[in-house]
Amino acid sequence: ETGVTQSPTHLIKTRGQQVTLRCSSQSGHNTVSWYQQALGQGPQFIFQYYREEENGRGNFPPRFSGLQFPNYSSELNVNALELDDSALYLCASSLVVSPQETQYFGPGTRLLVL
Amino acid sequence: DQQVKQNSPSLSVQEGRISILNCDYTNSMFDYFLWYKKYPAEGPTFLISISSIKDKNEDGRFTVFLNKSAKHLSLHIVPSQPGDSAVYFCAASANNNDMRFGAGTRLTVKP
Repeated sequence: ETGVTQSPTHLIKTRGQQVTLRCSSQSGHNTVSWYQQALGQGPQFIFQYYREEENGRGNFPPRFSGLQFPNYSSELNVNALELDDSALYLCASSLVVSPQETQYFGPGTRLLVL
Repeated sequence: DQQVKQNSPSLSVQEGRISILNCDYTNSMFDYFLWYKKYPAEGPTFLISISSIKDKNEDGRFTVFLNKSAKHLSLHIVPSQPGDSAVYFCAASANNNDMRFGAGTRLTVKP
C-alpha cells in the first residue's frame, strides 16, 4: 500500500505565472483535499474532490482550481500567481467524504513566488 | 478568521515528564476535534480525535480532553519521549464540513 505522494517537492515561480501541483492518493482512497500552509500558520482548506467532482471549497479565489482523475490522482492549479501564494501546499486523501475520517497527508510541495 | 487557536508556539519538556498542548476555539458549532503531528519534510499525521459528545479520549500515552463550556481542548502526552518532538496541530470541524487548523505548537522533548 503506497502512501500519498506529491510532486514536485519544491518549485520557484514568478508573479503572474501559472503553476500545477500534483498529488497521488493513497491506494483505494476516492477523496482528496488540498490545503495551503503559509509560514507559521496551520493548513488552510482550499477545496476537496470526491469522485472527480468538487465537493467543498474554502475561502480561496477562483484562480485556485483543481481536477481529480479517474484513478483518483489530483491536480491543483493556480493562475496569476501572487507573492502571497508562497506556501507549502498539502494534499490529503481519505476513504470517504468526512473530516471525521482519517486523512492521510502527503509531504507537500513548497512553492516560492518571486 | 482564526476559529482555532494554539497560543503557545513552542513547548519544551524533559523526557519522562508530561507534555500538555492547548487549543482554544471560537465556533460553538464545532463537533469534532483532531490532533495531528508533523515532522519536518513530512505531511501531518493523525494522532487522536474526540467527538463533542465526549470529554476525554485516550490512546496509549496520548489523551485528549475537551471542555465544551470553555471551548478548550488539550492533548496530554505521558510520559514524553524524544521521538515526540514535532509540531502539533489541533483541528476542528462542524457538521462534517472542512477542518480548521490551529497554527501549531512545536514540542521539544529533551533527553
